[in-house]
Amino acid sequence: EPEVTQTPSHQVTQMGQEVILRCVPISNHLYFYWYRQILGQKVEFLVSFYNNEISEKSEIFDDQFSVERPDGSNFTLKIRSTKLEDSAMYFCASSAYRGLTDTQYFGPGTRLTVL
Amino acid sequence: GQQVMQIPQYQHVQEGEDFTTYCNSSTTLSNIQWYKQRPGGHPVFLIQLVKSGEVKKQKRLTFQFGEAKKNSSLHITATQTTDVGTYFCAGPDSWGKFQFGAGTQVVVTP
Repeated sequence: EPEVTQTPSHQVTQMGQEVILRCVPISNHLYFYWYRQILGQKVEFLVSFYNNEISEKSEIFDDQFSVERPDGSNFTLKIRSTKLEDSAMYFCASSAYRGLTDTQYFGPGTRLTVL
Repeated sequence: GQQVMQIPQYQHVQEGEDFTTYCNSSTTLSNIQWYKQRPGGHPVFLIQLVKSGEVKKQKRLTFQFGEAKKNSSLHITATQTTDVGTYFCAGPDSWGKFQFGAGTQVVVTP
């Protein structure tokens, strides 16, 4: 069964450093998403991406964040200058159609620890 | 903005018992989705409800979408240890952003 993959599974970084989290969505999907989950809290929407541009983004997704689909398979989330409060689990998801009415398939997540 | 609330936050259940978790939105939803997240895992899609008053069953799980499409429930019968995890409901807001509830963490005691 096709699945969303994410690398790395765990990323440790120093405050102020840039990190890039990588995702490979399911191959025939067209919509891609990033979510984050701070330990013990709910899943929070960050951004959705379609046709090589951002469709929607939340208040959390400020200028420190950017997303990119550099090639036909990868979907990346970049945090330019990490802060302690960026420590969280980051989930990538993809859907064949617009996620509002379609199943979103989540990847296993990348645990980001900012020291 | 839209808020999605879930109650209870925690649910301790004896194996074999039934329980229900509830999801309420401050605005009408076009659809609602339910996810299960096992401890240390990622959210896994369970089901989507679209129609007003819709009821769907998956084995011991029964999902319901309210008539006003602002609330939903998940009822589990004869709870098993495999039901352990956090159950999230999620729905799109008017801006197209997917809002998750805070989840109901389910603990099952044998």
